[in-house]
Amino acid sequence: EEQLVETGGGLIQPGESLRLSCAASGFTVSSNYMNWVRQSPGKGLEWVSILYSDETTYYAASVKGRFTISRDASKNTLYLQMNSLKTEDTAVYLCARARRRRDDYPGAFDIWGQGTMVTVSS
Amino acid sequence: DIQMTQSPSTLSASVGDRVTITCRASRGIVNYLAWFQLKPGKAPKSLIYDASTLQSGVPSRFSGSGSGTHFTLTITSLQPEDFTTYYCQQYNNYPYTFGQGTKLEIK
Repeated sequence: EEQLVETGGGLIQPGESLRLSCAASGFTVSSNYMNWVRQSPGKGLEWVSILYSDETTYYAASVKGRFTISRDASKNTLYLQMNSLKTEDTAVYLCARARRRRDDYPGAFDIWGQGTMVTVSS
Repeated sequence: DIQMTQSPSTLSASVGDRVTITCRASRGIVNYLAWFQLKPGKAPKSLIYDASTLQSGVPSRFSGSGSGTHFTLTITSLQPEDFTTYYCQQYNNYPYTFGQGTKLEIK
């Protein structure tokens, strides 16, 4: 069964750093388009970042320069390194696999994790 | 950024009813639109991609249509497990963006 499981969330103070992990089973992270999405009460769902199989990355403007998406092929795991955290980064963070479109670009998300909660508060 | 406007925000219906949720994009996204279901504490469930293609394993009572800027999700013969929140999402341009969600409630 293809599955994603996020870990690493917690309570953290503004300005600090945190790394989230997303462990995949049933498929290979490095061969797929992998995303991070977050859901917060105030902002709804917000796409955060994507990592291509060729290591191309894109970020939402709200996190660019502070967050870094990466993977470890040997652990079949996706990561989100979050630095200089702000209170507005408080959210449930979910990872998701994107299908490959016919034109070979990332398509719709087909597998999601349950998410891990990140609370940024002093 | 492409704005996705989803309506209604809340929808009351009964088991067995047919309902339709609408999603409008602020500019054309071809057919690069997905619908998914979100239940508290559970992984989101993807329902439809490319506006009208059912994800594997999704019941045929779910259907999607549209292209360009106007899209719909229709659920026929509502089942008890369908009463939850639905979102649309465009993946034509970065940043990917989502609708505000539609909460489907039991009447």
